[in-house]
Amino acid sequence: AQKVTQAQTEISVVEKEDVTLDCVYETRDTTYYLFWYKQPPSGELVFLIRRNSFDEQNEISGRYSWNFQKSTSSFNFTITASQVVDSAVYFCALSEALTNTGKLIFGQGTTLQVKP
Amino acid sequence: DAGVTQSPTHLIKTRGQHVTLRCSPISGHKSVSWYQQVLGQGPQFIFQYYEKEERGRGNFPDRFSARQFPNYSSELNVNALLLGDSALYLCASSDSGSNRYEQYFGPGTRLTVT
Repeated sequence: AQKVTQAQTEISVVEKEDVTLDCVYETRDTTYYLFWYKQPPSGELVFLIRRNSFDEQNEISGRYSWNFQKSTSSFNFTITASQVVDSAVYFCALSEALTNTGKLIFGQGTTLQVKP
Repeated sequence: DAGVTQSPTHLIKTRGQHVTLRCSPISGHKSVSWYQQVLGQGPQFIFQYYEKEERGRGNFPDRFSARQFPNYSSELNVNALLLGDSALYLCASSDSGSNRYEQYFGPGTRLTVT
């Protein structure tokens, strides 16, 4: 069964704090892709990153970094020195190469509130 | 370049009615997917169309149908609306039908069924 779990429903931090959003996934496929999306109050999902199952290198993009660990089936997302504009709902998602239907399986989302 | 566009932005319908939602993908993208997002939850996959053919269908009743036109735009139709169909309907486009590529989402259509 394919599943994505984001155990943190809501996180509240003060500006400039670092924050990590957790994502744990389940899949039987050996080839799969992991994604993070941001959903601001406007509702539009904004693509942040894609990772394939064969690439476990961590990635950094500005204040954002991602830690992919196949051994624990986790793909965590860290925001360094958070800003008010980071306030949004963040979704982790999984797609499997075997089905090739374009289907993304989303977690429940984590609402991040960054206070000034 | 224009992103994914959806119309209408908001819609209010009555139980039992029918609704049509529209989506235009990013220019050059041939794949369109539809998702339903109920308040407080993650989006749920409804359909994917690639090159006008249905490539995938999620766990939704037959009241939900879709099609893709020669210009790659798409329509999602929902018949016999139920209160539980109230949600944000998101359209996403990709330049490939493959799962490996990211999908780009539109702003959504918020459907309220009363």
